[in-house]
Amino acid sequence: GAGVSQSPSNKVTEKGKDVELRCDPISGHTALYWYRQSLGQGLEFLIYFQGNSAPDKSGLPSDRFSAERTGGSVSTLTIQRTQQEDSAVYLCASSLSYGVTTGELFFGEGSRLTVL
Amino acid sequence: QKEVEQDPGPLSVPEGAIVSLNCTYSNSAFQYFMWYRQYSRKGPELLMYTYSSGNKEDGRFTAQVDKSSKYISLFIRDSQPSDSATYLCAMKGSNFGNEKLTFGTGTRLTIIP
Repeated sequence: GAGVSQSPSNKVTEKGKDVELRCDPISGHTALYWYRQSLGQGLEFLIYFQGNSAPDKSGLPSDRFSAERTGGSVSTLTIQRTQQEDSAVYLCASSLSYGVTTGELFFGEGSRLTVL
Repeated sequence: QKEVEQDPGPLSVPEGAIVSLNCTYSNSAFQYFMWYRQYSRKGPELLMYTYSSGNKEDGRFTAQVDKSSKYISLFIRDSQPSDSATYLCAMKGSNFGNEKLTFGTGTRLTIIP
């Protein structure tokens, strides 16, 4: 597709279950980012990939959160033992190259996670 | 205290009015400043980008950066109902390898026809 694709678009899960969120970036984009958007909190940085490596994972809130990227393309964000405070919209973005200074991240529409 | 502060609104103005949206920040290392627009249930999209201090104009939109005051603004002239969205300021430093953007909380704007 032409844009960043995320799945699922909506996920409702029970507290304690594991969830996987998938991001398919724009073809050729080497940089990939995960952000979390909670009501009234803005966008919170989680992790950044350049290729398959994650030079900055400083935003992951706890060791229940992990992410990987394979083949320099698709990325998966995994949340283990979900908690109610994990409820948020998880946004994935990609950009053309490392050292992008124009600030242009291309965002997907997000995966809305609700933990009951 | 957050690195970037932005009034969440909501802000409602009549069609045709001039809109002013603002952010303040505390990190003097920020060099690149952006405004993103986010429609409901969509991802943010880049609207304006500026480097360091100064003004930048693009059609009805003007972005201003005042680094001495750590204050950035977005002005929308002749506002239209289609401008109704949440506007997020974002910024980053100039260190190579520092790729993450720091966002404000966003201001929800409604243009009333």
